[in-house]
Amino acid sequence: NAGVTQTPKFQVLKTGQSMTLQCAQDMNHEYMSWYRQDPGMGLRLIHYSVGAGITDQGEVPNGYNVSRSTTEDFPLRLLSAAPSQTSVYFCATRVRGDGNTIYFGEGSWLTVV
Amino acid sequence: ILNVEQSPQSLHVQEGDSTNFTCSFPSSNFYALHWYRWETAKSPEALFVMTLNGDEKKKGRISATLNTKEGYSYLYIKGSQPEDSATYLCALVRGSNYQLIWGAGTKLIIKP
Repeated sequence: NAGVTQTPKFQVLKTGQSMTLQCAQDMNHEYMSWYRQDPGMGLRLIHYSVGAGITDQGEVPNGYNVSRSTTEDFPLRLLSAAPSQTSVYFCATRVRGDGNTIYFGEGSWLTVV
Repeated sequence: ILNVEQSPQSLHVQEGDSTNFTCSFPSSNFYALHWYRWETAKSPEALFVMTLNGDEKKKGRISATLNTKEGYSYLYIKGSQPEDSATYLCALVRGSNYQLIWGAGTKLIIKP
């Protein structure tokens, strides 16, 4: 049981490049989300999904796109990378039946130069 | 803007000592409070989900209390060990739509 798997773990991008952070889960959780973690700040929600075919914006959605074609996968696309998007990105899932416990991936460290 | 404040920002503790830190939050529309433990390069892992005023939860040497009326939760670690070194995150849930508001974390470093 792998839980939540994120790739890549580390990435360096040039300003203006695009890329996709992959997230896959094998727990059949309906709710999936992407957060970014910046020094001195709490996790901030980028986008989330309550099920396949449904996505919505979080607190800081600008510059990012998501899609949810299956329950398992929730990729995050950076459309045109900017230095302000240098951050640690976490994919997370949640299920109501488990006290709403959140399950995180290991994080993706992204640097935009 | 709702703020969840964690204090202190960082903490150095001698191995074997006990320690505690705080998560403060606005008490209106409280629904739940989460605590997570995050070691760098690993997945943050759940410690506690607390919902009731006066709740006290325990997991080994780690315990947490909750006061929803005054808007704070304490996390206690008894007899700190090097493996307790991590960042401890709390998150407030307001309302049943379950959007979380995260604190910035307390970074705990255990000195051998």
